[in-house]
Amino acid sequence: GAVVSQHPSRVICKSGTSVKIECRSLDFQATTMFWYRQFPKQSLMLMATSNEGSKATYEQGVEKDKFLINHASLTLSTLTVTSAHPEDSSFYICSVENNPPYYGYTFGSGTRLTVV
Amino acid sequence: GIQVEQSPPDLILQEGANSTLRCNFSDSVNNLQWFHQNPWGQLINLFYIPSGTKQNGRLSATTVATERYSLLYISSSQTTDSGVYFCAVGDSGGSNYKLTFGKGTLLTVNP
Repeated sequence: GAVVSQHPSRVICKSGTSVKIECRSLDFQATTMFWYRQFPKQSLMLMATSNEGSKATYEQGVEKDKFLINHASLTLSTLTVTSAHPEDSSFYICSVENNPPYYGYTFGSGTRLTVV
Repeated sequence: GIQVEQSPPDLILQEGANSTLRCNFSDSVNNLQWFHQNPWGQLINLFYIPSGTKQNGRLSATTVATERYSLLYISSSQTTDSGVYFCAVGDSGGSNYKLTFGKGTLLTVNP
């Protein structure tokens, strides 16, 4: 399947600051990438779909002005958590769809964000 | 939207035991994957299995799409099998891209 790199793996920031998370597709060009969020001991929820060269599509209830997504190239999507607050502390994971002959989706290693 | 239910929510095994994890879904799917989330949070692809049966070493999976369920079998479990197992489905009637995850099964394998 795809090879997906996510950085940083862990970040601690102060309340009110912004944090940028990068997701890279290392072995093929991904026109679409996906951002998920996972709260402790809970399941993963899709936040938004990142589209290369156009605006991201956000799931219902996700604030687009708070979670800025930029997909400026075919191998890189970034998620910026703006004016972070403690309730934004979570595990953020990106994914890409595999190319044939592989199917399904591959996920990055995730970023654990702690806002203090 | 599509609903995904996994059972059991928690499972404790002794090393060497076998187990079966279940995933029920409420509608037709065009994608079903089983993942293992390790203690560091990494989601490891186990199977892409919208229908049929696959095997990979000690793991195998079966999806009966017409009855809307999938099973993950773990044989001769090892302590490294511990972690959370997620079933995720893509809704064939909705967005092709959206994966809906179940709540997972937390597996603990004791030595």
